Amino acid sequence: GAGVSQSPSNKVTEKGKDVELRCDPISGHTALYWYRQSLGQGLEFLIYFQGNSAPDKSGLPSDRFSAERTGGSVSTLTIQRTQQEDSAVYLCASSPPGTRLNEQFFGPGTRLTVL
Amino acid sequence: GDSVTQMEGPVTLSEEAFLTINCTYTATGYPSLFWYVQYPGEGLQLLLKATKADDKGSNKGFEATYRKETTSFHLEKGSVQVSDSAVYFCALLATDSWGKLQFGAGTQVVVTP
Repeated sequence: GAGVSQSPSNKVTEKGKDVELRCDPISGHTALYWYRQSLGQGLEFLIYFQGNSAPDKSGLPSDRFSAERTGGSVSTLTIQRTQQEDSAVYLCASSPPGTRLNEQFFGPGTRLTVL
Repeated sequence: GDSVTQMEGPVTLSEEAFLTINCTYTATGYPSLFWYVQYPGEGLQLLLKATKADDKGSNKGFEATYRKETTSFHLEKGSVQVSDSAVYFCALLATDSWGKLQFGAGTQVVVTP
């Protein structure tokens, strides 16, 4: 079946612009996660959704970052007034209902470059 | 806070050699431990996991044992292949966490024919 998909695969933007990154989880997966992978910080957790609610937003680095999930499916990560330090690969993952130990299935990521 | 430390790479070895990647963690309680792998051009995927002390996770010839006394979860494979070339990430899930994986820095492994 289809895996987690993310769009766009690459995004180049200018400092100060807003960007939206999209994640389509695997059908039927109730949990959805955002991470980012950067050279300086490695793989960092950003936010976790269960259905449409976000019980854990502890990884969002600033109030410029926000995310939403609608219909228990698609999620959008929005970064406002982008800064160069936001350049990274943004990864989305989803997992099926059940225990918190279920495997997280990762998408291919969106590479964001802020000039 | 909780953290994961793994050996730095790159690790370069010949086909059929023995591979060990060290991973140690700091956490309260009883975290669950994972190894994820990222093959070139592909997304992260789960390799194996262990959810309690002395558990051994295994998959594709790889093994790792959850050692609480040494707070370690070292990854091993007895005979690597060129196709095992990838970046390997050790990760933990804290006792009270729902899905917030905390990753180590990753170790690149390069296997030459």
